[in-house]
Amino acid sequence: QMHLQESGPGLVRPSETLSVTCTVSGASLDGSTYYWGWVRQSPGKGLEWIATVHYGGHTYYNPSFRSRVTVSMDSAKNEFSLTLTSLTAADSAIYFCARDTGHHMVTIFDLWGRGSLVTVSS
Amino acid sequence: EVVMTQSPATLSVSPGDSATLSCRASQSVGTDVAWYQQKAGQAPRLLFWGGSMRPTGVPDRFIGSGSGTDFTLTISSLQSEDFAVYYCQQFSNWPPSGTFGGGTKIEI
Repeated sequence: QMHLQESGPGLVRPSETLSVTCTVSGASLDGSTYYWGWVRQSPGKGLEWIATVHYGGHTYYNPSFRSRVTVSMDSAKNEFSLTLTSLTAADSAIYFCARDTGHHMVTIFDLWGRGSLVTVSS
Repeated sequence: EVVMTQSPATLSVSPGDSATLSCRASQSVGTDVAWYQQKAGQAPRLLFWGGSMRPTGVPDRFIGSGSGTDFTLTISSLQSEDFAVYYCQQFSNWPPSGTFGGGTKIEI
């Protein structure tokens, strides 16, 4: 059975860069046909889709984050990652990684990790 | 960007009752809406999407309907495990988008 597990730094200082990684177990990313995404949740902005990556190298970004975000995949490590630059307090949130439904939908997810809480504070 | 507005913010119901949750899009999105359930401390769970798609394991008492700008999630015969927060989401592959509504909390 496939599982997703996020790992993040917990606390990040303003203006710095956030890196969060999602490790996939129970299946291989190598050659996977699924789309793999990031969604965050905060009290102020609710749920927000951030970005999605596919094994074939295609990436998709929410325009609201486009200038600050990068999503990538390392199939050898069976993980994919999110990088978000120029952090402010508004980026404090729970960051979820997730997998699409298998119907090639870029922003709908039916398997989720438990989330990684990130706080931006000095 | 499409804005998704959910109502009501809170819905008080009794076990065994039915619940009707509403979601309105700021512009027509066809049937490209998904519904999620979220319980405290957990990730969202996909319930229904695309007008007719229900993931494996989701009970058939959860039914999504609507098209254009007005959408409804109906939950029949509410069970104790159904008390949670529900979100609608507009989705699109191109241009890619996935905007969520603010949520409806179903409470006892």
